[in-house]
Amino acid sequence: EDQVTQSPEALRLQEGESSSLNCSYTVSGLRGLFWYRQDPGKGPEFLFTLYSAGEEKEKERLKATLTKKESFLHITAPKPEDSATYLCAVNARSGGYNKLIFGAGTRLAVHP
Amino acid sequence: SAVISQKPSRDICQRGTSLTIQCQVDSQVTMMFWYRQQPGQSLTLIATANQGSEATYESGFVIDKFPISRPNLTFSTLTVSNMSPEDSSIYLCSVASSGNTIYFGEGSWLTVV
Repeated sequence: EDQVTQSPEALRLQEGESSSLNCSYTVSGLRGLFWYRQDPGKGPEFLFTLYSAGEEKEKERLKATLTKKESFLHITAPKPEDSATYLCAVNARSGGYNKLIFGAGTRLAVHP
Repeated sequence: SAVISQKPSRDICQRGTSLTIQCQVDSQVTMMFWYRQQPGQSLTLIATANQGSEATYESGFVIDKFPISRPNLTFSTLTVSNMSPEDSSIYLCSVASSGNTIYFGEGSWLTVV
C-alpha cells in the first residue's frame, strides 16, 4: 500500500536554528515527490517537485533532497515567517491515473 | 503556474442541506482534483474530475454524497449533499499543470451545524 510518513509531527525552532524535516515513503511507480507549505486558513502552496534519487532543489532558505526511500526539507537559518505546516506528497500511479498521497505534515514554529 | 479560484471561501450550513463549491482555473487543464482536509488532518483525495467523463472516486467517497461536474477544461463543481457535522472540512480544488506540478486553490471552509 502506498504510504507517506512525515516526522517530526511538530517542530519548534529558534530564529536562525537550522533543521530538517523528514518524509519517508513507500510507493509503487513514483512519479514525483512534492513539498508544499500550508499556512492556517490557506490552501497548500507549491514549493518543490523531485523526481529521482540524488535530486536537490533550493528556494531561499529551503532545500529539498530525495533518496529512494525518503526526502528531506532542510531549513537554513529560519525566520518567524517560515512558520507553517509543511506537507509532503507522492504522485503515485493508481488505477491508470496519477494521484497525490499526502503525509500528515510537520507543523513548524520559528520563534524570534 | 495556475491560478485557482474557489467559491464560496467559507460557509456555515444547516444539517441536511447541500452545498455546491465552484472551482475556476485561469487556464485549460486536463486533470482536476477535489480534496478534503478535516480539522487538524492532512489532505485526502475525494475524486478526480476529467472533462467529458465521469469523475473517478476514491475509496470511501461516493457519487451520491459528492457529485462532481466538469463541463469544460477550466471549471468544476463539487456538491456536498445531505450534510452532517462530520462533513465540516476544508474542500480543496487542485489542478495538474502541463509541467506535472499540482496546484491548489485556497479552499472552501464548510462548517455544518
